[in-house]
Amino acid sequence: AQSVTQLGSHVSVSEGALVLLRCNYSSSVPPYLFWYVQYPNQGLQLLLKYTSAATLVKGINGFEAEFKKSETSFHLTKPSAHMSDAAEYFCAVSPTGANNLFFGTGTRLTVIP
Amino acid sequence: DAGITQSPRHKVTETGTPVTLRCHQTENHRYMYWYRQDPGHGLRLIHYSYGVKDTDKGEVSDGYSVSRSKTEDFLLTLESATSSQTSVYFCAISDTGQGNQPQHFGDGTRLSIL
Repeated sequence: AQSVTQLGSHVSVSEGALVLLRCNYSSSVPPYLFWYVQYPNQGLQLLLKYTSAATLVKGINGFEAEFKKSETSFHLTKPSAHMSDAAEYFCAVSPTGANNLFFGTGTRLTVIP
Repeated sequence: DAGITQSPRHKVTETGTPVTLRCHQTENHRYMYWYRQDPGHGLRLIHYSYGVKDTDKGEVSDGYSVSRSKTEDFLLTLESATSSQTSVYFCAISDTGQGNQPQHFGDGTRLSIL
C-alpha cells in the first residue's frame, strides 16, 4: 500500500528565510507526486506535481520540489518565505496506473515577522 | 479555479439523523471524489465515482453511501450520523482520473454531529 510521510507537523521560519518541508513516500515503483496548499477555511490548491518528467519541479508562488528516487523523497522548498506562505501543506502520492490520491498528514507552516 | 460548489458549507446535526452533502461541478469532469479531513490523518478517500451511476469505495467508506445520477452532481449520504463522522468533507474532481492528473478540490463542508 502507498504511504506518505511528512516529517514535522509544524514548521516555523522567519520571513525571508528558506522554507523546507519534507515528504517521503513508500513505493517500489516511482509514483506521481503532488504538493497541495490549504489556507484557512479553504480547499486544497495544487502547488506543483511530479509526473516523471524533470526531477526538479517548479510550482506556483515560488515553490519548487525535487524528486529523488534514491531517497524516495519529494521535499518542497522556497528560497525566501513570505507572510502569505503561512498555511498547511500536504504531500500526496498517486500510484502509476491508479486514480487514487494518498495524502500525508500535513505540515503547518508559520512565518514569523 | 475549478467550478466546484459544495453545499452546505457548514452543518450541525444530531447523532442518528441522516445527512446528505452535495458536490456540484461545472467542468464536465468524469471523476468525482469525496474525502474527509481529520487532524493527524490528512485527507482520506471515502468514495469516488468514475461516471454516472458508477461508484466505488475508498479507504474509509463504512457508514457512508454515495450517488451520482448526473455528471455534475455527486452526493454523499450519512444514513445515521455518528459523532465519529464529525469532520471536514471535501469534494474533488478529475478530468481523466489518471494518476498523473491532479485532482481539484472544493472549499469543503464542516460537519458537526452532536
